[in-house]
Amino acid sequence: NAGVTQTPKFQVLKTGQSMTLQCAQDMNHNSMYWYRQDPGMGLRLIYYSASEGTTDKGEVPNGYNVSRLNKREFSLRLESAAPSQTSVYFCASSRLGLQGHEQFFGPGTRLTVL
Amino acid sequence: SQQGEEDPQALSIQEGENATMNCSYKTSINNLQWYRQNSGRGLVHLILIRSNEREKHSGRLRVTLDTSKKSSSLLITASRAADTASYFCATDAGAAGNKLTFGGGTRVLVKP
Repeated sequence: NAGVTQTPKFQVLKTGQSMTLQCAQDMNHNSMYWYRQDPGMGLRLIYYSASEGTTDKGEVPNGYNVSRLNKREFSLRLESAAPSQTSVYFCASSRLGLQGHEQFFGPGTRLTVL
Repeated sequence: SQQGEEDPQALSIQEGENATMNCSYKTSINNLQWYRQNSGRGLVHLILIRSNEREKHSGRLRVTLDTSKKSSSLLITASRAADTASYFCATDAGAAGNKLTFGGGTRVLVKP
């Protein structure tokens, strides 16, 4: 199992450009999440998808859109990138373990917006 | 806003010493979890403690939870250089989508 995979690993954009971050999981998890992590900070939730066909806003959704393409894939789109969106983006999926929902994370995408 | 606040923000210890970090949170929770993040990598789940539990062990990890004080601690015993990482607490408040709310993390440096 590859777990949670993300592409690309690195990206540099100019202000105003658009791009889509891809995420896929092969663990048959229902829920998926997009977070951003700024230097020295914890994770902030951008959007999540509790199940295939549903998406909802998290703590910091402005400037982003998402698509839950199928159970495996959850993409994050920046329509018009801004320098404030320079960050590391993590995708995660969750499963119900014996005692609660645990999240599994991808390796991250490091995005710089100039 | 972040549910969990961690203390200290950074910790430097010698190999073989114990490392203790604390997490405080604001609302009622179903469970609290600890994750580790090695530099430049994604987070890895370490341990989960339910709201009706007070202490839990996993290998060299010991987690305590005090729901009356809305706080938790993570103890790493006999630390190793490989324990160098950032550690985050995350709370599950039973929100829709099984969302977790993460704290700001504690950066731990274990010196050989």
